[in-house]
Amino acid sequence: EVQLVESGGGLVQPGGSLKLSCAASGFTFSGSAMHWVRQASGKGLEWVGRIRSKANSYATAYAASVKGRFTISRDDSKNTAYLQMNSLKTEDTAVYYCTRHKTDYWGQGTLVTVSS
Amino acid sequence: DIVMTQTPLSLSVTPGQPASISCKSSQSLLHSDGKTYLYWYLQKPGQPPQLLIYEVSNRFSGVPDRFSGSGSGTDFTLKISRVEAEDVGVYYCMQSIQLPWTFGQGTKVEIK
Repeated sequence: EVQLVESGGGLVQPGGSLKLSCAASGFTFSGSAMHWVRQASGKGLEWVGRIRSKANSYATAYAASVKGRFTISRDDSKNTAYLQMNSLKTEDTAVYYCTRHKTDYWGQGTLVTVSS
Repeated sequence: DIVMTQTPLSLSVTPGQPASISCKSSQSLLHSDGKTYLYWYLQKPGQPPQLLIYEVSNRFSGVPDRFSGSGSGTDFTLKISRVEAEDVGVYYCMQSIQLPWTFGQGTKVEIK
């Protein structure tokens, strides 16, 4: 059974940092690109970024709204993807989901709240 | 960025009646590999999105056959042949032909 479990969310002050994790199981994680998508309360879905597999040089891409502040990485030995978020802004407050490239499975999400 | 426009933004449907949601993209979603990268999701309250339809018209495993997708190029439609109470939530279309992936605004479906 495919499972994706996000963790690491919480309350952080503006300008602060947070690192989210997405633990995967039930599929060949190393062969799959992984994506992060976020959703502010009561709002729609926003793609945050993705990391490709080792075969594709772990290439990353980001939404313009987070580029230069967020970094996606992965550890295939741990079947885990990460989202390092720096210089956080209040507008980054959202539930963050990870999904694999096919988007057929999503985690339950982890809430990030940026507030003073 | 490709803009995805859904209509209507809300829908109130009597159980057993059909429903239809339109999604239009600002650019063609037809890739040179012959596939069209248009997806449909349902997000039920308090849950993550769940995949309904991939590549325009392919139902994901376990999705009831009352859900169907159609369209080509820039115009797409999700149809529910007979709406059931469990179908309530927000429906999103999404394109993945080009980064950044972009989603429609969402269509909220409720039961009358």
